[in-house]
This record gives sequence, C-alpha cells and structure tokens, in this order.
Amino acid sequence: AAGVIQSPRHLIKEKRETATLKCYPIPRHDTVYWYQQGPGQDPQFLISFYEKMQSDKGSIPDRFSAQQFSDYHSELNMSSLELGDSALYFCASRAQGGHEQYFGPGTRLTVT
Amino acid sequence: GEDVEQSLFLSVREGDSSVINCTYTDSSSTYLYWYKQEPGAGLQLLTYIFSNMDMKQDQRLTVLLNKKDKHLSLRIADTQTGDSAIYFCAESSPTSGTYKYIFGTGTRLKVLA
Repeated sequence: AAGVIQSPRHLIKEKRETATLKCYPIPRHDTVYWYQQGPGQDPQFLISFYEKMQSDKGSIPDRFSAQQFSDYHSELNMSSLELGDSALYFCASRAQGGHEQYFGPGTRLTVT
Repeated sequence: GEDVEQSLFLSVREGDSSVINCTYTDSSSTYLYWYKQEPGAGLQLLTYIFSNMDMKQDQRLTVLLNKKDKHLSLRIADTQTGDSAIYFCAESSPTSGTYKYIFGTGTRLKVLA
C-alpha cells in the first residue's frame, strides 16, 4: 500500500539559511498535517491543510510557511533557520471521512 | 505534550506483559491512539479506540479506556525484543475541526532478553 512520502529524508543547513520540506500524501487523502519533533520530545502540531486551504495552526513560528498544492502535496518553507529548528519534521495525511493520520518517515533537519 | 502525560520509561523481560499508561485532560477527545516509534524512524499507528468504548483487543495489544478518570493504557502481551521502542498516546477531537493530534510525552519501552 502507498504511504506518505517525505523529501528530503535528511537536510543540513546553516543558521539563517532557508529550507523547503516536501510531503506527498497517500492517494485520495485530502488533509495534510505537519508536526515537529525535537530531540527527546513528543511531536508538536504545526499546521494543517484541507483541500488546499489552511485548516488549523499550531505552534508554527512566523518564519515558517506552508501550502498545499492542487495535487495535494504540501511544502513547508522555513526561513532564517535557527539552531533550535533542528528536529524531525513529520508530515501526516488523513482521508476524507477518516480520523486516523498516517505518518511519513520524517525529514531530519540539522541546523549548524 | 502538556495535556497528555505518560511515564517516561518501562523495562520488562522478554515474554512478560508490558503495560503503558497515559492520562489526558480533554474530555471532548473522541479518538485515542497508540503509536510506536523506533529509533530514528517514523510513527507507526498501532491501534486506536473510540471514546465510547472501554476496551479493544488486537492480537497482542489490548487497549483499556477509563473515560471517567481520563486514563488510557496499552497492554502488550508476550513482549518481544522487537517491541523495544518509544510509545506515544495521542488524542484528537473533532472540536478542533481538523482532528489534529495532541501527543503524550512518550514512554520508552526496553525489553530485556
């Protein structure tokens, strides 16, 4: 069965640089979620999209933005990176009418 | 997660049962989940329970829900070394409009051979 795809899997950036993370949901899933998991922490909700519109917002810094495209893939754009942005970033997707989220393998971002 | 609490560590011997506990605060939570995370890996959905149920069994996994006390537990029977991982409970509610998850703090399960 198809799963959620995230790219890249690993990313190393320097402080003040920008990064773009991509997420390809499971086919026919119309809702995408982004979570950030710091070292030794639980995943924290950042933002979600439903049918290409932002549907909810969590603890996402103003330096970050995201969007969902017409093919339902989503991108998380991160600017002016800080050391504290180093984390595992998960994307999850949910089918219309469903409740459970299916997670991608994550993108590990390291900011040096 | 500030609203969902778990004990941090659990150590069991191979073949024993493991019980991982979780307490949550949002009484409107409709669904409660258990996810497994192996080192450096993603989050694997293990099982979930609706808030109007008090027990769900799925092979070696048994989920118990005490809605009055807002307490959720995951029992793993015949625990194997491959069960060593971090286990997260998570709650979601349609009142958020989006079913976003609030995760627990995670329990690191270590299975001793």
